[in-house]
Amino acid sequence: EPEVTQTPSHQVTQMGQEVILRCVPISNHLYFYWYRQILGQKVEFLVSFYNNEISEKSEIFDDQFSVERPDGSNFTLKIRSTKLEDSAMYFCASSEAMGGLLEQFFGPGTRLTVL
Amino acid sequence: AQSVAQPEDQVNVAEGNPLTVKCTYSVSGNPYLFWYVQYPNRGLQFLLKYITGDNLVKGSYGFEAEFNKSQTSFHLKKPSALVSDSALYFCAVRDMTGKGRRALTFGSGTRLQVQP
Repeated sequence: EPEVTQTPSHQVTQMGQEVILRCVPISNHLYFYWYRQILGQKVEFLVSFYNNEISEKSEIFDDQFSVERPDGSNFTLKIRSTKLEDSAMYFCASSEAMGGLLEQFFGPGTRLTVL
Repeated sequence: AQSVAQPEDQVNVAEGNPLTVKCTYSVSGNPYLFWYVQYPNRGLQFLLKYITGDNLVKGSYGFEAEFNKSQTSFHLKKPSALVSDSALYFCAVRDMTGKGRRALTFGSGTRLQVQP
């Protein structure tokens, strides 16, 4: 069964450093998403991406965040200058359609720890 | 704005008993509703969804959920709980009219603990 994969599973970084979280969505999916889950809190939407551009973003997704699909398979989330409060589990998801008719498939997540 | 409420942080049930995990939602239009499950150190796994049609939807692992428009609820149910059902359950919604956010809005999650 196809699945969304994410690397690394755990990333530890110093405050102020840049991190790149990587995701490989399911191959025939066209819509890609990043969510985050701060420990003990709800899953929060960050950004959605379609046709090589951001289609929607939340208030969390400020100028220090960016997303990219550098090739035909990878989808990345970059945090330019990490802050302590960026520590969270980051989930990538993909779906065949944006309309909501089809479910989003989630990866296992990357746990980001900012020291 | 769309929102989801899961009023119970934790639900405890004995194995073999029926279980219910509650969810209520708020959207400006008609909802798409989803349930996801999260096992420790794992990502979110899709359980079931309501788009339109029959108010009772059946999903993976014997779970089902009932859409109630008048009560704006989408409670998750299972007739007979298993110890292996113990996990964190998330309800999610998006507005099908496209007026609200197109991404999913999640509830805070309910931890289900099934005792042997």
